[in-house]
Amino acid sequence: GAVVSQHPSWVICKSGTSVKIECRSLDFQATTMFWYRQFPKQSLMLMATSNEGSKATYEQGVEKDKFLINHASLTLSTLTVTSAHPEDSSFYICSASGRDESSYNEQFFGPGTRLTVL
Amino acid sequence: GDSVTQMEGPVTLSEEAFLTINCTYTATGYPSLFWYVQYPGEGLQLLLKATKADDKGSNKGFEATYRKETTSFHLEKGSVQVSDSAVYFCALILYNQGGKLIFGQGTELSVKP
Repeated sequence: GAVVSQHPSWVICKSGTSVKIECRSLDFQATTMFWYRQFPKQSLMLMATSNEGSKATYEQGVEKDKFLINHASLTLSTLTVTSAHPEDSSFYICSASGRDESSYNEQFFGPGTRLTVL
Repeated sequence: GDSVTQMEGPVTLSEEAFLTINCTYTATGYPSLFWYVQYPGEGLQLLLKATKADDKGSNKGFEATYRKETTSFHLEKGSVQVSDSAVYFCALILYNQGGKLIFGQGTELSVKP
């Protein structure tokens, strides 16, 4: 149980375009989803926390107009990188936690999305 | 503030050697503690967890004990395999901040045959 998927697993785009990454909880209701960014050989950096039906809370230094997060349902959150530039190239990972006993007190991670901006 | 500190890597061991990766934390309150493993190009997988002091988490031969007195959660395995080569992250969860995870910097483990 507690499986989280991400789509796409990798994407290459041209500078200036927008890219949408989906994060789905497959077998539980995700009341909270988290979006992380990871640079090579580094730890995960939390970008934002989103609760279903409300606006995302962004960490300090993360541009909310650049990284649009939507959590419209209990199984889906999306991250849109708007007007992507090469410096946005990174590995993006989502995680989710739920409201029931088996999914409340930890985060379940997706497999990640590798974004390369040319 | 709340933080997690891990021993620096990379750690290189021979197969069947004993593994210890140190992890210490600073936190207000009583967080739950986790070890995650990340294989190349993949997301994070939960390896083990402990929710209160003196709890021992274990999985796949790995163990870690939640030590409140030393604020530590060191990861150990008695005999590593080549397939254990990965990056290991220690983390704590902040229940008073909506379940936010605080990660250590990660420790890369390389096991040679």
